[in-house]
Amino acid sequence: QKEVEQDPGPLSVPEGAIVSLNCTYSNSAFQYFMWYRQYSRKGPELLMYTYSSGNKEDGRFTAQVDKSSKYISLFIRDSQPSDSATYLCAMSPLNAGGTSYGKLTFGQGTILTVHP
Amino acid sequence: SQTIHQWPATLVQPVGSPLSLECTVEGTSNPNLYWYRQAAGRGLQLLFYSVGIGQISSEVPQNLSASRPQDRQFILSSKKLLLSDSGFYLCAWSPGGGGPSTDTQYFGPGTRLTVL
Repeated sequence: QKEVEQDPGPLSVPEGAIVSLNCTYSNSAFQYFMWYRQYSRKGPELLMYTYSSGNKEDGRFTAQVDKSSKYISLFIRDSQPSDSATYLCAMSPLNAGGTSYGKLTFGQGTILTVHP
Repeated sequence: SQTIHQWPATLVQPVGSPLSLECTVEGTSNPNLYWYRQAAGRGLQLLFYSVGIGQISSEVPQNLSASRPQDRQFILSSKKLLLSDSGFYLCAWSPGGGGPSTDTQYFGPGTRLTVL
């Protein structure tokens, strides 16, 4: 079983739709959660990060973490064609797990297309 | 602000040829540096990480090596490329020191390598 599972999609939605992207994980040591957006042939761009359970909002984006269920989500409201990209979840133990480097575990990425 | 550069952006190499990919970071000191490979339809695979000059750790045994000759320079090399080395190579940095900020990684634009 992979430590992080993410539905690869692809996911296709009309412009203006609410998009829900999800990851599940098995390692209870994960305490720090991130979402990256990756446009085609580009490097991943950090969208949001959170340490705690609950919701964190940034504009049209909301990150949700449920540590009891080991489940994280990214919601995109009023989706736009410019949101079309691959979305990667990533997570790690807090404080780099006691190491001196950040060891992230990534999901496989979900391909999202928002059509006009 | 911090900026991360990678070059070249695209590279086509014959099997058995050498490889050198370069990554530099601006606007920060003593960063942790990382090399990832992203194969088509697959997640990010951590290849190497470095917490300081001359300090390189390998995550996966392979045909590649890494070096860090300067604080903000990270080089990925191979003496003889294999077909299986094709992929999208990403360099990333994070603040050093092992605290919470160490977990957050920022990616460069990537190098697309095709081995023929």
